[in-house]
Amino acid sequence: QKEVEQNSGPLSVPEGAIASLNCTYSDRGSQSFFWYRQYSGKSPELIMFIYSNGDKEDGRFTAQLNKASQYVSLLIRDSQPSDSATYLCAVNAAGGSQGNLIFGKGTKLSVKP
Amino acid sequence: DGGITQSPKYLFRKEGQNVTLSCEQNLNHDAMYWYRQDPGQGLRLIYYSQIVNDFQKGDIAEGYSVSREKKESFPLTVTSAQKNPTAFYLCASSAEFWGAVSNQPQHFGDGTRLSIL
Repeated sequence: QKEVEQNSGPLSVPEGAIASLNCTYSDRGSQSFFWYRQYSGKSPELIMFIYSNGDKEDGRFTAQLNKASQYVSLLIRDSQPSDSATYLCAVNAAGGSQGNLIFGKGTKLSVKP
Repeated sequence: DGGITQSPKYLFRKEGQNVTLSCEQNLNHDAMYWYRQDPGQGLRLIYYSQIVNDFQKGDIAEGYSVSREKKESFPLTVTSAQKNPTAFYLCASSAEFWGAVSNQPQHFGDGTRLSIL
């Protein structure tokens, strides 16, 4: 059974701090990794994707990938109250259904003013 | 503006009734997907389609049906066989997946909330 695991939280950080969200996955063949933000009652919104080991930065967001450890993380610098949401990690399903994504259950982030 | 349009936003189903959720995209994406999200849960794949006139079952296809007669449209029917249909239904699309290296990101519509009357 292919799985994506996330700490459900809630993760609470003060405004201006760095929020660190973590995700592990079970399928060693996975090649593509995505982070989505989902506000309460809304649909998921893509914020980052990463395909290669290392770091990828986009504004206040940094995705980090370590395929050997099967670990992907999302760092949010200078956290704002508007970053309060559930963050979903998604990983492509390797093998015959490579186009499909497996989603974690999400980590709820709360940024306190 | 390019995007994915789901309708209706809210839908109520009576006992024994089939209901159809609409999903239309103007992104010229080849692949389309339907997910179900229950409270506190991740997204679970119902059906997906990588090309017109072809679709595949996902992890929880029982009680659902789809069609893909046009590239831009991928409607989902929740049949009376689905005994627990109350959920948030999300449609997504992505550009075609070409090779064994990387997936194109999936983009989501605004969702349809389905409840039982």
